[in-house]
Amino acid sequence: AQSVTQLDSQVPVFEEAPVELRCNYSSSVSVYLFWYVQYPNQGLQLLLKYLSGSTLVKGINGFEAEFNKSQTSFHLRKPSVHISDTAEYFCAVSETRAQKLVFGQGTRLTINP
Amino acid sequence: SAVISQKPSRDICQRGTSLTIQCQVDSQVTMMFWYRQQPGQSLTLIATANQGSEATYESGFVIDKFPISRPNLTFSTLTVSNMSPEDSSIYLCSVRLAGAREQFFGPGTRLTVL
Repeated sequence: AQSVTQLDSQVPVFEEAPVELRCNYSSSVSVYLFWYVQYPNQGLQLLLKYLSGSTLVKGINGFEAEFNKSQTSFHLRKPSVHISDTAEYFCAVSETRAQKLVFGQGTRLTINP
Repeated sequence: SAVISQKPSRDICQRGTSLTIQCQVDSQVTMMFWYRQQPGQSLTLIATANQGSEATYESGFVIDKFPISRPNLTFSTLTVSNMSPEDSSIYLCSVRLAGAREQFFGPGTRLTVL
């Protein structure tokens, strides 16, 4: 069965600084990978997804992620964060032949002025 | 994408009672799912809502506690039965469109059980 590990439960950064949120997964088969964002008191919004092809995927709000098959990682990056990026970020994996998503524990991103 | 609404958005309930949460989608979808997000935690899949047949439950979740209905391709309900304070969570509905791999989520229902 697949699993997802988000290595940092909290990441504080200063506004306009770069940020990387780390995600590693475990699966014996091919997977699809996703990053979702949850703003306070809201549902989840899809940031970006990796299905196949280029390992560097770009998403909304200036975020991007890189799929590294050898390291089984899918880290999320943004070159310059804004106060409005304060939220909980979830990495998720789905085996290509499965229906369900498995989520990591989440990383709380806090932007300090 | 899909526009998903949930009712109620939040509720405070007494121990031992039941609450039914509704999920409505603005288009026909192949897959609908129900998740639970306990306070400060990640999302855990409760079940897949199957149209016209019984839901498929994940390990640790049972139909008697979380009965699910899906009468058509745009609507589903989740009931949290005989509630206890441990059921206090956010319950989220999600959908997957035909041919897509990602899921889209509703705004969630925030449940507090006293």
